[in-house]
Amino acid sequence: AQSVTQLDSHVSVSEGTPVLLRCNYSSSYSPSLFWYVQHPNKGLQLLLKYTSAATLVKGINGFEAEFKKSETSFHLTKPSAHMSDAAEYFCAVRMDTGRRALTFGSGTRLQVQP
Amino acid sequence: GAGVSQSPSNKVTEKGKDVELRCDPISGHTALYWYRQSLGQGLEFLIYFQGNSAPDKSGLPSDRFSAERTGESVSTLTIQRTQQEDSAVYLCASSSGSGQGYEQYFGPGTRLTVT
Repeated sequence: AQSVTQLDSHVSVSEGTPVLLRCNYSSSYSPSLFWYVQHPNKGLQLLLKYTSAATLVKGINGFEAEFKKSETSFHLTKPSAHMSDAAEYFCAVRMDTGRRALTFGSGTRLQVQP
Repeated sequence: GAGVSQSPSNKVTEKGKDVELRCDPISGHTALYWYRQSLGQGLEFLIYFQGNSAPDKSGLPSDRFSAERTGESVSTLTIQRTQQEDSAVYLCASSSGSGQGYEQYFGPGTRLTVT
C-alpha cells in the first residue's frame, strides 16, 4: 500500500523568503513522486516529478524537490517566495503497478505575506 | 494545444436526482482517470481507463457511481440517486501512457453540489 503525509496543513511565509513544504511517503517499491499546485477554483498543475532519475528535481516557477530514500521524503522548496505562489500544494505518489493512479497527500495551503 | 476539459463546470442538483459529468481528455491520451476532491476526504481516486482494457473501478465509493469511456475519447461519470455526501469537485485527468514517466494532466473539475 502507498501513502503520502504532508506534515503541514498550512504554511505562511513572507514574500522573498524561502519556502519549504514537507512530504513523506510510504511505498513498497521505488515510487514515482509528484508535486501539484492548485490555485483557487482551478485544476491541478504539475510542478515537478521524480521517476528514479536525478534525486534533485527542478520544476516550474523556481520550485525544486529532493528525493531522499533514507528519509522517505520529497520536500518541496523555493529560494524566494512570490505572491503568486499562494495556493494549495499536493504531494502525490503513484502506484507501482496496475492503474498508476495517484495517491495524494492532504495538501498544504501556502500563504505569502507581503 | 487543448488541455483536458470538463463540463459542466458547476452543477447543483437535488438529492435523489441523477447527474452526468463529462470529461474530454487530451487527444491521443490513452489513459483517463477520475478523482474526487472533497473537504472531508481530500483527493481520492475513483476509476481508471486504459485504452480498450477493462476499467479499474476499485475506487468507486458505491454502486451509485459508474463511468464509461468510448475508445480513447470522451468519458462520462454518472452518479445515480445523488446524496449530500456526493458534493465535491470531480476531477478528470488524462495521460499518454501509464508507465513510470507518464504524467497526468488535470482538467479544471466539475463542482457538484447536492441540496
